[in-house]
Amino acid sequence: DTEVTQTPKHLVMGMTNKKSLKCEQHMGHRAMYWYKQKAKKPPELMFVYSYEKLSINESVPSRFSPECPNSSLLNLHLHALQPEDSALYLCASSQDLGTSGRSDTQYFGPGTRLTVL
Amino acid sequence: QKEVEQDPGPLSVPEGAIVSLNCTYSNSAFQYFMWYRQYSRKGPELLMYTYSSGNKEDGRFTAQVDKSSKYISLFIRDSQPSDSATYLCAMSENKAAGNKLTFGGGTRVLVKP
Repeated sequence: DTEVTQTPKHLVMGMTNKKSLKCEQHMGHRAMYWYKQKAKKPPELMFVYSYEKLSINESVPSRFSPECPNSSLLNLHLHALQPEDSALYLCASSQDLGTSGRSDTQYFGPGTRLTVL
Repeated sequence: QKEVEQDPGPLSVPEGAIVSLNCTYSNSAFQYFMWYRQYSRKGPELLMYTYSSGNKEDGRFTAQVDKSSKYISLFIRDSQPSDSATYLCAMSENKAAGNKLTFGGGTRVLVKP
């Protein structure tokens, strides 16, 4: 099973709202990722977690706050977003970070389509 | 110049034709190569994963890597309307760099019945 699930599928929020996106995988993967994808563009990496610790933050604004409560779950907390933050937010997971000299394949979830009004 | 270049298309072919997709890259540190398929408003789905020069076949899909030319290809045989999607190439380096993927811009493919 290579399934990554994300909730909600769609989210509409105002600029003053606080909301959270959730991601879950049960493949025993120890690395999890958040990506942002704008229309007709490739995914852009936001955050990487490895063994529940933040490994990479790609200079993402603080209005996006990731959290990894356990090895199966990844959250993205949203606060005071801007309309330009509207996008498809993708979660991915991989066995590890490829630290054993190989790359580890990333499996993506279906995404949450976020609209900021 | 982008690290990974991919023709955006759209690429329109009749059903049953061979679809040929390409990416070129400039970073010689890339060692691992992937092709993802993404349907509209869905997440990317892994199609092929390769790490050595040469060909790898899986059903109707063949991935080709030429590291000396910094060029990768994906061929889809006997294309079907259900193959209509955006195809993304992706690459990563052989080191503990967070397993970061560098994507091409994606090629939109339309297979007409």
